[in-house]
Amino acid sequence: AQKVTQAQTEISVVEKEDVTLDCVYETRDTTYYLFWYKQPPSGELVFLIRRNSFDEQNEISGRYSWNFQKSTSSFNFTITASQVVDSAVYFCAQGSGYSTLTFGKGTMLLVSP
Amino acid sequence: DVKVTQSSRYLVKRTGEKVFLECVQDMDHENMFWYRQDPGLGLRLIYFSYDVKMKEKGDIPEGYSVSREKKERFSLILESASTNQTSMYLCASSWGYRDTASGNTIYFGEGSWLTVV
Repeated sequence: AQKVTQAQTEISVVEKEDVTLDCVYETRDTTYYLFWYKQPPSGELVFLIRRNSFDEQNEISGRYSWNFQKSTSSFNFTITASQVVDSAVYFCAQGSGYSTLTFGKGTMLLVSP
Repeated sequence: DVKVTQSSRYLVKRTGEKVFLECVQDMDHENMFWYRQDPGLGLRLIYFSYDVKMKEKGDIPEGYSVSREKKERFSLILESASTNQTSMYLCASSWGYRDTASGNTIYFGEGSWLTVV
């Protein structure tokens, strides 16, 4: 069975701080995908990134970076120099083949000015 | 850009009413999904569909049904709404078997907040 754990329920930071959101997954599949979504207060989940299990290269997109480590089954998300607009709930998810995705319970990030 | 549109953002219904939540996607996606989101419980899959007139139960199908008569439209039906169905409902879609490049990246609508009184 697949499982995604986001141990941090809520994180509060002050603007310009760096923050890392943790994600640990469990799967028996050798090929799988990992995702991060952002849900701002408006409600829509916005797709941020997808990684394949055979590609462990870290990825950077502006202030966002993702660290994928198969050895620890983790796919952590770091926001550098956080901004108030980063305040949202962030979901990590995992899927295999064309099965449905398994989501973590989300981490609420609050960035205060 | 992928666009998933949910017909109603906010609804208030009475216990026992039949409720329809409509969702349309404009990307010719094979797969469509209905999730429910509750505080502390995250996203839970209610039903999904891999093709027209095809449906599969998700993790919490009890009290719900779905309809997919056209590829772009996926409806969630609450036959007799109850107060424990007060929640946020999210529709989503994704490519199916045809597109191996995107795999199963899911794109979501804005959500529908349903209150049952």
